[in-house]
Amino acid sequence: DVKVTQSSRYLVKRTGEKVFLECVQDMDHENMFWYRQDPGLGLRLIYFSYDVKMKEKGDIPEGYSVSREKKERFSLILESASTNQTSMYLCASSFRALGNQPQHFGDGTRLSIL
Amino acid sequence: ELKVEQNPLFLSMQEGKNYTIYCNYSTTSDRLYWYRQDPGKSLESLFVLLSNGAVKQEGRLMASLDTKARLSTLHITAAVHDLSATYFCAVADGGATNKLIFGTGTLLAVQP
Repeated sequence: DVKVTQSSRYLVKRTGEKVFLECVQDMDHENMFWYRQDPGLGLRLIYFSYDVKMKEKGDIPEGYSVSREKKERFSLILESASTNQTSMYLCASSFRALGNQPQHFGDGTRLSIL
Repeated sequence: ELKVEQNPLFLSMQEGKNYTIYCNYSTTSDRLYWYRQDPGKSLESLFVLLSNGAVKQEGRLMASLDTKARLSTLHITAAVHDLSATYFCAVADGGATNKLIFGTGTLLAVQP
């Protein structure tokens, strides 16, 4: 079974802090993704990576950055957390050529910025 | 730019009834996915639809794809309470990156 593990289920941080969310996958997937999920808006792509040290902006990259130093690990960084970044964050991974394989998701991190 | 519209946003139905969730998308794509999310849980893949006319069935759920109409449906037959969840469709954005664009989700509540 594919396992995508996010480091925290719940996280509370303060405005202005630098926040790190970590994601690890065990299926040797090339692609990794970070989404945020908000009620009524579905999932929106923040950043994704298709190889080590490679990254591309998604639809809402402002205020975020990412790091992928190893194939299995993809980190999302909130440079200076703000209250509008309070959300559920989901990490996903997939093979580069999706074919008939879906993206596999972690359990999510519910982040609150006070 | 690919846009995905899903409706309804909320669906309350009685056990034993049938209903359909619709997923429309704006530009050509060769792959469409359906996911289920239980409260507080991650997204679970239900179906992968790869071609025009594709139909997949699992238990009381059946998904179909019409690429010409840019429409996918998720049909629920004789609903049971265990099907209560949020259902998302997602459409592949094509190109080399295999991004998915998600619909807003349909919250399904099956009442006993």
